[in-house]
Amino acid sequence: GAVVSQHPSRVICKSGTSVKIECRSLDFQATTMFWYRQFPKQSLMLMATSNEGSKATYEQGVEKDKFLINHASLTLSTLTVTSAHPEDSSFYICSARDPRPDTQYFGPGTRLTVL
Amino acid sequence: QKEVEQNSGPLSVPEGAIASLNCTYSDRVSQSFFWYRQYSGKSPELIMSIYSNGDKEDGRFTAQLNKASQYVSLLIRDSQPSDSATYLCAVTSGAGNMLTFGGGTRLMVKP
Repeated sequence: GAVVSQHPSRVICKSGTSVKIECRSLDFQATTMFWYRQFPKQSLMLMATSNEGSKATYEQGVEKDKFLINHASLTLSTLTVTSAHPEDSSFYICSARDPRPDTQYFGPGTRLTVL
Repeated sequence: QKEVEQNSGPLSVPEGAIASLNCTYSDRVSQSFFWYRQYSGKSPELIMSIYSNGDKEDGRFTAQLNKASQYVSLLIRDSQPSDSATYLCAVTSGAGNMLTFGGGTRLMVKP
């Protein structure tokens, strides 16, 4: 299957700092990428949908000024958690849509711990 | 509201048995259907996709789709302890072909 990479895989930071997570589709062009968050023993929660060259669409309750998303090319989307706090500690997972056929592939995830 | 429903489980089967995972969806115009496997602490991994009515087989996995009944299932033959994971059913629908996930079914395969 198609490959989606995420970097970094794990990050520990101090409260108040910003963290950038990169998501890349390695062997296909993804016009749409998605960002999810998952807390322990809970379901995936869609945070936002990112379309190349346009503003991301955020789900209800997700602060767009706190979670900055940039989808600058057909193979790269970034999520920046600004002024991170301990409650932002979670497993952040991106996915990318391959249009042919219409299939969504997940990256390996980034585990964020905010101290 | 468009929904995808799964029994949360856990579904417990003995090693070597057939595990049957079920999923129903509410949006009649859904076009694409997927099964993902998620191990604890890992991201979801696509294991099957199905786009038309009937069965689709890939190794030990068979996906079954019945659009009239709005039902999709996943059969795992010769279940192994390594199949123990949460299985997520996902359905695309709507103008933007958004992917909607079920809550997942936790499968436990006992040696």
